[in-house]
Amino acid sequence: NAGVTQTPKFRVLKTGQSMTLLCAQDMNHEYMYWYRQDPGMGLRLIHYSVGEGTTAKGEVPDGYNVSRLKKQNFLLGLESAAPSQTSVYFCASSTYPTYEQYFGPGTRLTVT
Amino acid sequence: EDQVTQSPEALRLQEGESSSLNCSYTVSGLRGLFWYRQDPGKGPEFLFTLYSAGEEKEKERLKATLTKKESFLHITAPKPEDSATYLCAVHPMDSSYKLIFGSGTRLLVRP
Repeated sequence: NAGVTQTPKFRVLKTGQSMTLLCAQDMNHEYMYWYRQDPGMGLRLIHYSVGEGTTAKGEVPDGYNVSRLKKQNFLLGLESAAPSQTSVYFCASSTYPTYEQYFGPGTRLTVT
Repeated sequence: EDQVTQSPEALRLQEGESSSLNCSYTVSGLRGLFWYRQDPGKGPEFLFTLYSAGEEKEKERLKATLTKKESFLHITAPKPEDSATYLCAVHPMDSSYKLIFGSGTRLLVRP
C-alpha cells in the first residue's frame, strides 16, 4: 500500500514551458486535491476533484489545469510556466466520512 | 470569513521541556479539526482528527485537545525527533470536502 505518490520529485522549467504533474493513490479515495506550499503562505488549494471525471477550482487556480480521468489519478498541468509558479506542489486524497487528507511526498518545481 | 491561526510561528524547546502549540479558528460550524506533522522536504503526515469540544486524542508524547474556538497540541517531554512543523486544519461545515490550513508552528527540540 503506497498511499499517495507523486511524479516527478523535482523539475526545472524555463518560462513558457509546459509540464504535467502526476498524482496516484491506491486507497480508493473519492476526493483528490492539488496544493502549493510557499514560505510564509502555508498550503493553498489549487484545484480539487470529488470523483472520477469531475474537477473544481480552489483558492489559486489561475495558470493551472487538472484532469481526473481515472479515480486513482489526478493530473496537474501548467500550460505556460511562469516564475511565480516556483513552489512545492502537494497532492492529497481523502474519503467520506472522515475527510482527513493524506498527502504525497511533493514535487519541487523551479521556473527560471 | 473562515480562518485558522497558529501560534507561535516558531518554538524552541530543550529536550524534556513540555509545551503547547495553539490553533485558533473562526468558522461558522466545525465538522472536524486535523493536526499534521511535516518534516523538511516531505508531505504533511496525518496525526489526529477532533470532532467536538472536549475531545482529546493522544499519540506517544503528543496530545491534542479541542474547545469551541481553539485546539492545543501538547507535547510532553519532547525529544529531538519531535522537531518538525505542525499544521492545523479545519473542515468547516459548509465547505464540503475542502480544509482550511493554518501556516504552521516550526518546532525545534534541542538535545
